[in-house]
Amino acid sequence: GAVVSQHPSRVICKSGTSVKIECRSLDFQATTMFWYRQFPKQSLMLMATSNEGSKATYEQGVEKDKFLINHASLTLSTLTVASAHPEDSSFYICSARPTSGVQGEQFFGPGTRLTVL
Amino acid sequence: LAKTTQPISMDSYEGQEVNITCSHNNIATNDYITWYQQFPSQGPRFIIQGYKTKVTNEVASLFIPADRKSSTLSLPRVSLSDTAVYYCLVGDSGGGADGLTFGKGTHLIIQP
Repeated sequence: GAVVSQHPSRVICKSGTSVKIECRSLDFQATTMFWYRQFPKQSLMLMATSNEGSKATYEQGVEKDKFLINHASLTLSTLTVASAHPEDSSFYICSARPTSGVQGEQFFGPGTRLTVL
Repeated sequence: LAKTTQPISMDSYEGQEVNITCSHNNIATNDYITWYQQFPSQGPRFIIQGYKTKVTNEVASLFIPADRKSSTLSLPRVSLSDTAVYYCLVGDSGGGADGLTFGKGTHLIIQP
């Protein structure tokens, strides 16, 4: 149990394209999901907290108009990279916290590798 | 969230026991200690979590001394597939209520 999926797993696009990444909790409900970004040979960095039915909370330095987050249901959060540029190329990972899970538990998706040409 | 310090990298051989120590000198009373494993191009995977003394599960053990200013992840009889980056995180409820703050982690390389 406790599986989180992401789609797509990999995307290559031209500069200026908007890219949507989906994060789904497959067998549990998640009121809260998190989005991270990881550049090569670096650690994960939290970008934003996605709460079902309300606005996302962004970390300092993350542009909310650039990285649009929608958490429309208890099993789905989407991250849209608006007008992507080469510097947005990264590995994007989501995690989900079960609504009724053990305190402190988070389950991570497999990640989405975005390459902007 | 308490800051953590880990070795940047470690090497070992198949079949050995590997111990990775993490320092967290300013750990707070409510903080839990959680370890994650990450393979290249994959999301992190939860390994183990503890508050004090010793915790053991099917993949690892976590040793936490009485002062809780450090912790040691112990991997018994490692194999090549244990080559990965291991992250030590410290936070309230293991940081699960909020987004997690990852340090640089320890790159563990297992050789035949």
